[in-house]
Amino acid sequence: KAGVTQTPRYLIKTRGQQVTLSCSPISGHRSVSWYQQTPGQGLQFLFEYFSETQRNKGNFPGRFSGRQFSNSRSEMNVSTLELGDSALYLCASSLGPLGLEIGGRSGELFFGEGSRLTVL
Amino acid sequence: AQTVTQSQPEMSVQEAETVTLSCTYDTSESNYYLFWYKQPPSRQMILVIRQEAYKQQNATENRFSVNFQKAAKSFSLKISDSQLGDTAMYFCAFMKQGAQKLVFGQGTRLTINP
Repeated sequence: KAGVTQTPRYLIKTRGQQVTLSCSPISGHRSVSWYQQTPGQGLQFLFEYFSETQRNKGNFPGRFSGRQFSNSRSEMNVSTLELGDSALYLCASSLGPLGLEIGGRSGELFFGEGSRLTVL
Repeated sequence: AQTVTQSQPEMSVQEAETVTLSCTYDTSESNYYLFWYKQPPSRQMILVIRQEAYKQQNATENRFSVNFQKAAKSFSLKISDSQLGDTAMYFCAFMKQGAQKLVFGQGTRLTINP
């Protein structure tokens, strides 16, 4: 079974541009979560989607948005990029809605390798 | 809000030694889950071990075990017979029951030396 796939793996943008990152979850997984990883802040929660609905959003400005499609694939978008948006963006999938017991595996996230964004 | 603290930014041990990574958390919740995730260099993060707060028995997964002290809000990870492949960043994480997110600690960079 293929793992979580994130594209692109690396990208360089300049301030003011926008970026779209894509995530394909493990087949059969319907929940997708996004995290931002930086050396200073560590892993910060961005969003969680289940069945095309955003169920939770982290403390990020409105420039950060996302969506989930009917096939569970997810995208996140960052508009008007700032230098501080440089980070590794991690996508993770889980079988069911995160936080609800699914066969005793609640909280088990399967991560992709991440998309490393550099903003110049 | 819940917080997770890992007080050891970096650790280094020799192969075959036992190493313990520390984690403390702050919460007023009574039902929650705790996790240790491993992020090897340039590879994806994977779940190492998981503990439900209502279970008194410490979780174990082969060479990995935890010492869960609920009253002290402590959740340490012990790696026995460490191997070179254990070299990674280790993140402690917390999730309250019903939440849609995990709260991660800052991580501990563990290096296993040959």
